[in-house]
Order: sequence, then C-alpha cells, then structure tokens
Amino acid sequence: SQQGEEDPQALSIQEGENATMNCSYKTSINNLQWYRQNSGRGLVHLILIRSNEREKHSGRLRVTLDTSKKSSSLLITASRAADTASYFCVDNDMRFGAGTRLTVKP
Amino acid sequence: EAGVTQFPSHSVIEKGQTVTLRCDPISGHDNLYWYRRVMGKEIKFLLHFVKESKQDESGMPNNRFLAERTGGTYSTLKVQPAELEDSGVYFCASSLRAGWVYNEQFFGPGTRLTVL
Repeated sequence: SQQGEEDPQALSIQEGENATMNCSYKTSINNLQWYRQNSGRGLVHLILIRSNEREKHSGRLRVTLDTSKKSSSLLITASRAADTASYFCVDNDMRFGAGTRLTVKP
Repeated sequence: EAGVTQFPSHSVIEKGQTVTLRCDPISGHDNLYWYRRVMGKEIKFLLHFVKESKQDESGMPNNRFLAERTGGTYSTLKVQPAELEDSGVYFCASSLRAGWVYNEQFFGPGTRLTVL
C-alpha cells in the first residue's frame, strides 16, 4: 500500500457534524503534515505534528499521531460547507497519500 | 505578499506535442519543488531546486521531462513529447529553507494538463 495512505477515500457528512480522516504510513517519521486542496486550488498547509507529539489542535482541527501504529488522524469539528475539499497527509520524505475527499452538505 | 503562481492554469495538448509549465515562487524562496498528481493517484514529488541547482530530481519519471530554473527565480517544466499518461495536475511549491522536516512549503494552484 501507499505511504501516507488515507482512510476513508471519500467522506460525505452534513454541516455541523464532525469529520475524521485517518492516515497510515510505513517508515519512521520526524513529522507528519496535513494539507487541504480545494477544488481548482493549490494545496494549503493545515497542521504539522512532530514525532514526539501525540495531539495537536488548530482551531477546529485536531490531529493525533500514534507512532507505534504508524497512523495519524485529522478531526474537523463542527464542519462547514467550506470544508469541502481533499485532505492529504504527507510524511517527511515528501510522500503524499491518495487523499480523502470530504464533502460537507449544507 | 504574492503566493506561488503557476501558468497556465489549464493546458490541453495532443499526444506528441510539447508543453511548458511555469512556476513563480514566493519572492526570496530559494527552494522550489515540482509535484504532480496523475488522475486518481497520489501526489508525487518530481524534483527540488535550490536556487538554480537541482538538489534532488529523483522523482522525474523519464527523460521526456526537463525542468529548469535559470537565475534561480522562476522555473519551467517542459514535457516533450507529451504522452497520454502525463495528464494530471502539476503543482509547484516553494519554501524559504530546504527540507521538509520543520519547514512549510507553499503550494501554487497547479496546472491541469490534459494530453489527448
């Protein structure tokens, strides 16, 4: 499987609900980053979590990292229609996962 | 401050033709990266410039791809001759410092390339 593989591939929720996306990776990391890509736009950096951190918050975003399981999760709370985008995790070897396509319905 | 810009935003060409993509990084960013996302697949690293020098071009798929960064400012990525499997979105990114470890890369909007 791919380095930085996201799960699920696609997620559809109602506005106001929480969205959780998971990412698994294979090799050791120094950090993991999450990016978002809105349709027709470039990638926007969301959050970076270092290998010695277990959880990090930024606004409505919460990222967790479990190095023993080589996995990370991105939680978006109180989702909004504007959160509709593809979300990618990226390891420190610049390898991207396939991404999770999130659709938030108004 | 202007972000990373890419030109064109879309390009539709026929197989065998040549296409040149351009990326203008954020002013002052010595590091410039090219990535591409082939339809339905993950984003893959192509290469990394530090100023005008190619620091890492391990991701370049084959010799039909040529990247340049004359003068260490903007960069071009030429595909010649283009093949059907080259279709996808090509992203450019720049960063102030090298490396991915604790350094954020700023991405451009991408160029969508369609090869017919």
